[in-house]
Amino acid sequence: DAGITQSPRYKITETGRQVTLMCHQTWSHSYMFWYRQDLGHGLRLIYYSAAADITDKGEVPDGYVVSRSKTENFPLTLESATRSQTSVYFCASSDVRAAGYTFGSGTRLTVV
Amino acid sequence: AQSVTQLDSHVSVSEGTPVLLRCNYSSSYSPSLFWYVQHPNKGLQLLLKYTSAATLVKGINGFEAEFKKSETSFHLTKPSAHMSDAAEYFCVVTPNNAGNMLTFGGGTRLMVKP
Repeated sequence: DAGITQSPRYKITETGRQVTLMCHQTWSHSYMFWYRQDLGHGLRLIYYSAAADITDKGEVPDGYVVSRSKTENFPLTLESATRSQTSVYFCASSDVRAAGYTFGSGTRLTVV
Repeated sequence: AQSVTQLDSHVSVSEGTPVLLRCNYSSSYSPSLFWYVQHPNKGLQLLLKYTSAATLVKGINGFEAEFKKSETSFHLTKPSAHMSDAAEYFCVVTPNNAGNMLTFGGGTRLMVKP
């Protein structure tokens, strides 16, 4: 199906474990983004990518790693999960500048 | 630098009455502005967007917003609220020459009373 899909929808992991959140889009959009949503903070940008093999930090990148070897995929890895990374994570994609952004359904991550 | 301030964290209206959700922004460049809606446990859906064309923008579900450069505002309105409008609303800004990064406001939770 066309669109932007995130997996898993829900994840519980333990402190210190590595976990990867997946994001896949079918439009060949150049730009992809990862945001986290927390009460009292709204959505904050973690990392973004302007094209395959081009990534850059957002507002809150510490503790996260991204890669983009293919245009359609933009995985987000928590190298050693901490409780403060409990959040809802949204992936988004965009074509040309400011033309439109589409968000995935989100991944609810709980770190225990 | 850019920022977005949503002036009300919660707004409560009665069904059938008008909705006003307020948003002020600051941006070093001519911005693009968006309103997104998020229903409980759902993703974000685009309501409408302003990208330097007409200053009055019409969106889905009867919502509209007016870009006022002199007031740096982009308030969201709807003439008559429905129960299904109850959700969280986000005002979002991106400067047109900053590589597509979005800055979100803190959100406004709209409650609709029967």
